Amino acid sequence: QLQLQESGPGLVKPSETLSLTCTVSGGSISSSSYYWGWIRQPPGKGLEWIGSIYYSGSTYYNPSLKSRVTISVDTSKNQFSLKLSSVTAADTAVYYCARLCITIFGAPDNFDLWGRGTLVTVSS
Amino acid sequence: QSALTQPASVSGSPGQSITISCTGTSSDVGSYNLVSWYQQHPGKAPKLMIYEGSKRPSGVSNRFSGSKSGNTASLTISGLQAEDEADYYCCSYAGSSTLYVFGTGTKVTVL
Repeated sequence: QLQLQESGPGLVKPSETLSLTCTVSGGSISSSSYYWGWIRQPPGKGLEWIGSIYYSGSTYYNPSLKSRVTISVDTSKNQFSLKLSSVTAADTAVYYCARLCITIFGAPDNFDLWGRGTLVTVSS
Repeated sequence: QSALTQPASVSGSPGQSITISCTGTSSDVGSYNLVSWYQQHPGKAPKLMIYEGSKRPSGVSNRFSGSKSGNTASLTISGLQAEDEADYYCCSYAGSSTLYVFGTGTKVTVL
C-alpha cells in the first residue's frame, strides 16, 4: 500500500524559505504512470494547487506562485520536495503532498493518494 | 486563473439526493473531461471520489456520481447518509500553463 508522508518545520519566519519533503513508501516514485504534487489549504479555506513534478524532473507550477516555488525530486531517496521563498503570513496553511495520476493519453488527471498534511505557520 | 465556483453550502435529509455544481470556463471545465471531486472530513486529507468527470475509484460508493454540461460539472450524492457530511471540492485540468484549478468548496450538511 503506497503511502505519502510530509515532513519539515512547522514554523517559518516571514521572508524566509519554507522547505518540506514528501517521502513515498510502499512504491516507487520513478513510475511512469504518475506525477507528484503539492497542494495547500489555509486554515478554514479551500485547496490550492502549488505544483507538480515528474520523476524525470519536469515541473509544473501554479502561475500565481511560480516566482517563489521550486519542486525537486530525489529518486534515490524516493522523495520529492517543496521550497517556497519569501513567505508571509498568507502562506500559513496545511501543506499536502499527493500522487497525480496520468491518463492513458499522458494528460495529468487526478490526485488519487494524499499524505496526511502538515501545518506550516509563518510567524516571527 | 480563478477558482472554480461552487455553492458554499448544500443540505439534505437522510435518504435524499443532492447535487453540487462546479462552474468554470471554456479554458478548464469546458475544454477537458478531466474534472475530479474530493471529499474532505474535518482535520483529514481530501479523498478522491470522482475522476474524469464521472468515473468512480475502486471502493467509492455508487451513491456518488458525476456529470458535466458545458462549463459546469456536477456531483450528485444519492441516498444521503450522515457520513456524507463533509466538504467537497471539484478540480479541473486547465491546460499546460495553469495545469490545475480547484473549486471554492461546498459544505454538505445532513439534516
